[in-house]
Amino acid sequence: DVKVTQSSRYLVKRTGEKVFLECVQDMDHENMFWYRQDPGLGLRLIYFSYDVKMKEKGDIPEGYSVSREKKERFSLILESASTNQTSMYLCATESSGAEGNQPQHFGDGTRLSIL
Amino acid sequence: GENVEQHPSTLSVQEGDSAVIKCTYSDSASNYFPWYKQELGKRPQLIIDIRSNVGEKKDQRIAVTLNKTAKHFSLHITETQPEDSAVYFCAASPDNYGQNFVFGPGTRLSVLP
Repeated sequence: DVKVTQSSRYLVKRTGEKVFLECVQDMDHENMFWYRQDPGLGLRLIYFSYDVKMKEKGDIPEGYSVSREKKERFSLILESASTNQTSMYLCATESSGAEGNQPQHFGDGTRLSIL
Repeated sequence: GENVEQHPSTLSVQEGDSAVIKCTYSDSASNYFPWYKQELGKRPQLIIDIRSNVGEKKDQRIAVTLNKTAKHFSLHITETQPEDSAVYFCAASPDNYGQNFVFGPGTRLSVLP
């Protein structure tokens, strides 16, 4: 069974702080994703990565950056946290299967509050 | 780019009744359509998926139908139970490497005892 672990379930930070959200997976999946989930908006893609040291912008990358130094770890960074970044953040992984897109497997999420 | 709409946003059914959630998509290149269930406070989990080479797929009480011509796909849950209460998300994705999922906004299903 795929295990996707996010470092914190709940996090409270202050405006202007630099915030790190960590995600680790144990299935050797090539693809990793960061989403934010807000009521009525579903899951919106922030950044994704298809390989180590590779990153691509998703639909809402502004105010965020990512790091993927190792295959199993994908970090989301809020460079200077703002109140509109209060949200639930979900990490997901996906195997790059030969048959095309594969299901994504999600972590438990980090509920981040910016005060 | 792809746009996925999902209806209804909330749905209440009596236990034992059926529930249907419909999603429409805009990109005719989309070929993979997963459905996720998210219980309160938990992670989204895949419950069923379908690829464009089939029109229907069934897994016990859950089925998904796909109409590529009309660009819509639906989740059907029969004999609903209280544990089916959750938020359900659909997604669409082109079946090409490098293309990502686009999720619908979700449907909150409540199964009333």
